[in-house]
Amino acid sequence: IAGITQAPTSQILAAGRRMTLRCTQDMRHNAMYWYRQDLGLGLRLIHYSNTAGTTGKGEVPDGYSVSRANTDDFPLTLASAVPSQTSVYFCASSDSDRASNEQFFGPGTRLTVL
Amino acid sequence: GQNIDQPTEMTATEGAIVQINCTYQTSGFNGLFWYQQHAGEAPTFLSYNVLDGLEEKGRFSSFLSRSKGYSYLLLKELQMKDSASYLCAVLDSNYQLIWGAGTKLIIKP
Repeated sequence: IAGITQAPTSQILAAGRRMTLRCTQDMRHNAMYWYRQDLGLGLRLIHYSNTAGTTGKGEVPDGYSVSRANTDDFPLTLASAVPSQTSVYFCASSDSDRASNEQFFGPGTRLTVL
Repeated sequence: GQNIDQPTEMTATEGAIVQINCTYQTSGFNGLFWYQQHAGEAPTFLSYNVLDGLEEKGRFSSFLSRSKGYSYLLLKELQMKDSASYLCAVLDSNYQLIWGAGTKLIIKP
């Protein structure tokens, strides 16, 4: 692994189903983030984690949950998917000890909820 | 509320120079980022400004004026591969990134 990986690449999901998007990084970054990106809107933060064992809510957390059991993994779960959750989901990580706090992004998961 | 404004779309000619502006109103300021995003791909880091002035990195430069809540990204010697969306983002007082909707740059031969 080099950087951040996400799985699956894309998924079509029936409304009401449960879905977990996976995210793994090998850069030993302490902070990780989940964003959704919709046409015409900026990236919107769903949840974040500043360090393993802690998580926080972003701008649009409703309908999503996360966990951070270790440094490398940060899965995002949709408990009961709805069509409004159709979006491209990006996972990102950063070394928040660096002044620039530059975020590195995974390749994204394109999710369609029908 | 927090707000980042940038033009939706710009068109420029190969070999020319283009300036993409970004204005912001955020709760606190801990730096401004520019990212490039090609269609269907993830955003990639271009620049970071925390102090006023111009930062130059090859063909790309980024300028910041904190007193005016303003930044621009300057792209010189445009190439076709520069066709992409350019995202402006501000690190607020909680060290969360607030993102603009992005500027789609179209390069014509």
